[in-house]
Amino acid sequence: KAGVTQTPRYLIKTRGQQVTLSCSPISGHRSVSWYQQTPGQGLQFLFEYFSETQRNKGNFPGRFSGRQFSNSRSEMNVSTLELGDSALYLCASSKDTTGANVLTFGAGSRLTVL
Amino acid sequence: GESVGLHLPTLSVQEGDNSIINCAYSNSASDYFIWYKQESGKGPQFIIDIRSNMDKRQGQRVTVLLNKTVKHLSLQIAATQPGDSAVYFCAENPAQAGTALIFGKGTTLSVSS
Repeated sequence: KAGVTQTPRYLIKTRGQQVTLSCSPISGHRSVSWYQQTPGQGLQFLFEYFSETQRNKGNFPGRFSGRQFSNSRSEMNVSTLELGDSALYLCASSKDTTGANVLTFGAGSRLTVL
Repeated sequence: GESVGLHLPTLSVQEGDNSIINCAYSNSASDYFIWYKQESGKGPQFIIDIRSNMDKRQGQRVTVLLNKTVKHLSLQIAATQPGDSAVYFCAENPAQAGTALIFGKGTTLSVSS
């Protein structure tokens, strides 16, 4: 079956702009999580969505937001981009939102902010 | 085989050796642990997991050991192959945190033939 699909794979923005990233989970998976990966901070949890509701949120400023649609697809948005937002943004899906669920990751969207 | 007692960012081994990658986790309330492998240009790929009520779990060529007393996790890879070269991350899932994972810093495993 198809894995987690993230679009776009690469994008370049300038400071102050905003960006929207998209994630299509594995068919039948209802939970979608987002992570930011940078060389300095590693992999950090952004937020998790289940049934169109945000269930958990990491320690990121309000410029980072997301949403989930009724078909479980998810988007995340970063407004007023800063240089430090340059990162690989990873989406992961799982069957539900309980712990001890294996997360399957997509290949990521690499954002460069100039 | 190669082993490290504390987390090291890199580990270099010869093909055929056994590799041991260590990880210290942070949250005593974590009850689920996972090892992921990340190759260049790809997202993390699940390797093996273990719940806190176990201290050892084996997969195909991989074994995960959990020591809750010292909050330590290790991944053993038997007969390491060049295709095992990647960055390995441990991750913990605190209870009541849904599926949110806390990732370790990662260890780059380089396998030479």
